Order: sequence, then structure tokens, then C-alpha cells
Amino acid sequence: EAEVAQSPRYKITEKSQAVAFWCDPISGHATLYWYRQILGQGPELLVQFQDESVVDDSQLPKDRFSAERLKGVDSTLKIQPAELGDSAMYLCASSSRGPLRDEQFFGPGTRLTVL
Amino acid sequence: GQQVMQIPQYQHVQEGEDFTTYCNSSTTLSNIQWYKQRPGGHPVFLIQLVKSGEVKKQKRLTFQFGEAKKNSSLHITATQTTDVGTYFCAGRQGRAGSYQLTFGKGTKLSVIP
Repeated sequence: EAEVAQSPRYKITEKSQAVAFWCDPISGHATLYWYRQILGQGPELLVQFQDESVVDDSQLPKDRFSAERLKGVDSTLKIQPAELGDSAMYLCASSSRGPLRDEQFFGPGTRLTVL
Repeated sequence: GQQVMQIPQYQHVQEGEDFTTYCNSSTTLSNIQWYKQRPGGHPVFLIQLVKSGEVKKQKRLTFQFGEAKKNSSLHITATQTTDVGTYFCAGRQGRAGSYQLTFGKGTKLSVIP
């Protein structure tokens, strides 16, 4: 069964350092999402791509976070500089174009710890 | 902005007992989805409800979407230890052009064997 791939699975960094996360969605899925999930909370959308275009980044802290999906396939989320409050699970999800059925398939996530 | 509230936050049940989690939105939703996240895992899609008053069943799970499309519930009959995890509802706003799916904080279910 096709899965969303993410790397790394775990990342420990010091504050003020730069970190980057990678996501490879299910083949053929045009929509890609990056979520942040703090322990005990639900996923919070950071950015949504349709192919290579950003369609929603209203909750992305743009002063330090950036995301790209240059060829409309895999995607990178970057944080620079990392802050203590960025410690969380970063989840990538993808979905197909279907207008009525847009279930999201989540990857295993990257757990970020900022020291 | 849109808010999706979920209650209860935690639920401990004896195996075989029923379980229900409730989801309420501050705005009318175009659709609502339910996800399950096992401990240490990632959210897994369970179902999507679109129509007002819709009821869908998956084996022991029953999902409902309110008439006003502002609330939803998930009911599990005769819980099993395999039901352990956190159940999230996620609502999409009704207005055109809104892509964002807003997740509730989830209900963490523990099943005592």
C-alpha cells in the first residue's frame, strides 16, 4: 500500500539553528499538507500545496518558516532559526484531487526537539 | 477563525462498554472528517460526512453529522482494546474557497481489559 514518506523521523537541534524536513507524498496526489502537532493537541495546518502552488499558508509563521514544492511532487519545510516553542511533531499529508473525497493520508511525522 | 471543540478530552472505559465523543463547530461546516491516531502513530482517516443529518456505520463505529452541520459524534459499541487511541474530528468551513481542515483537540480513549 502506498504511503507518505517523511525524513528524518527525529531531529534534535539547538535554538537558533536551521532545520529542514522532507516529505514525499503518495504518487499522483496533487495536494500536500504540512501540519504541526503539539503533544495532546490536534494537528494544526501550516501550509497547503496544490501541485507546486501554495493555496493556504495563513498559519505559517513566515518570519521563520518556509515551505516549497518546486516540481509539485516532494516538499521541504524549513525552520530558521528554530525556537524552543517549535518542539513538536511535524506531519505531512497528501490527498488526491477528488472533489468529494479528500481524505488525507498522513506520513509518520518528524519529531523535532529544540534545546 | 473557525474553532472545533471536542469533548471529552479523555475517556476511560471497561472493555465491552460503549464510547462516544462529540465535536462542535463555531461555524457551519461543509463536511467533517474523523481520524484515529494510535499511541506513537499518525492520524488515519476513518470517514467523511457531507450531508446534513448523515449517519454512517463502520462495524462497531457509528458516525453522525448534525442537522445544522455544526456538530458531529462518533459512537463505538462494545469497545475492544484495539480501539485505544485518540479520535479527532476535523471540520471544513462551509464558505467557498476555504480549504483548511480544522482539527479538534481529540478524545483520548483508554480501554481497560
